[in-house]
Amino acid sequence: EAGVAQSPRYKIIEKRQSVAFWCNPISGHATLYWYQQILGQGPKLLIQFQNNGVVDDSQLPKDRFSAERLKGVDSTLKIQPAKLEDSAVYLCASSLVRQGGSYEQYFGPGTRLTVT
Amino acid sequence: QKEVEQDPGPLSVPEGAIVSLNCTYSNSAFQYFMWYRQYSRKGPELLMYTYSSGNKEDGRFTAQVDKSSKYISLFIRDSQPSDSATYLCAMSATGNQFYFGTGTSLTVIP
Repeated sequence: EAGVAQSPRYKIIEKRQSVAFWCNPISGHATLYWYQQILGQGPKLLIQFQNNGVVDDSQLPKDRFSAERLKGVDSTLKIQPAKLEDSAVYLCASSLVRQGGSYEQYFGPGTRLTVT
Repeated sequence: QKEVEQDPGPLSVPEGAIVSLNCTYSNSAFQYFMWYRQYSRKGPELLMYTYSSGNKEDGRFTAQVDKSSKYISLFIRDSQPSDSATYLCAMSATGNQFYFGTGTSLTVIP
């Protein structure tokens, strides 16, 4: 079974530039998550999709971050404009939908973003 | 107070030792608990999943949940150098939004 795919793996941009990350979840997984992991910290949920709809985006900085999941499969996360504090690893995860909630999240390798 | 507290370590043990990794939490509604292993520059890899209280064993790994103390543990028996990684705990009340600990860095010395 193929895992969660993400691209690019690494990205270096200057502050105020824009950047986009792509994620392809495990086939059949209806739930998709984007996490931000700052060095030395655990992942922090940015947004959760179930199929096409947003389940939770309460911690997404909506003034600069946006995400979409077209056709309930692939997803993109965009930052515009980037700030220095956005330097982090952006992780995508997916899971099956089970009664009572989704769990057993499977993570992709992440995109390491450096903002200079 | 953070939702989940985890000692960041680093923890260094000799090969073959028993390793104990722990997390505490404040939200008594948490009932889904997971442990992830994260190698350097890789995404987290799911190791153990536990629902509610009790123990779960998988090979050299045992996960314990004590909801009365709001405390979870991961034990690694016969630790190997390949176990050297950062271990993250994660938990949720609903199975949707998961809260992660900061991770414990483990090194197993041959």
